[in-house]
Amino acid sequence: QQKVQQSPESLIVPEGAMTSLNCTFSDSASQYFAWYRQHSGKAPKALMSIFSNGEKEEGRFTIHLNKASLHFSLHIRDSQPSDSALYLCAVRGTGSNRLTFGKGTKFSLIP
Amino acid sequence: EAAVTQSPRNKVAVTGGKVTLSCNQTNNHNNMYWYRQDTGHGLRLIHYSYGAGSTEKGDIPDGYKASRPSQENFSLILELATPSQTSVYFCASGDGWGDEQYFGPGTRLTVL
Repeated sequence: QQKVQQSPESLIVPEGAMTSLNCTFSDSASQYFAWYRQHSGKAPKALMSIFSNGEKEEGRFTIHLNKASLHFSLHIRDSQPSDSALYLCAVRGTGSNRLTFGKGTKFSLIP
Repeated sequence: EAAVTQSPRNKVAVTGGKVTLSCNQTNNHNNMYWYRQDTGHGLRLIHYSYGAGSTEKGDIPDGYKASRPSQENFSLILELATPSQTSVYFCASGDGWGDEQYFGPGTRLTVL
């Protein structure tokens, strides 16, 4: 069974900071890697995803995947108050159309 | 954007009672999913479906049944609710292999 772990559990940064959220997975044949963002009291919503090794940038967010290391990450630059949320990573294993989610990283800005 | 709705949004049930949570999606997605979310556990998959008439067990199916009577509707049934099933339940839909999943607003269930 796919194991997905996130670190850190929580993160507090000043506005404008750059930061990284991490996700590791156990199935080296996994084929789809995504980050979901969930604001307090709301539904999770897909933020960005990647299928193959490398980087993908969308605005202030960059996703980086290294399958050999069983690791992918989300980099956020110029953190804004609207970024405060629970970030969930998700992985799809081989031969499946179901996702396994990590437990989440709670990301907050210093008030 | 995909539209997924859930009902009820909040539910208080008694131990041993039957609870049905409903989900509807209007984007003709083949796949639908039921998750529960608890602090410290993230999103855990209970049941899912590939299309009308099909249901599959997820990672934590014990104590839950699912029903997919049509492409649009997917229900989660707790035949004998227990306090350990107190949680927030999310329904999601998606199409294809690993494509983005679209989540409903969630149902907060409290079992007393």
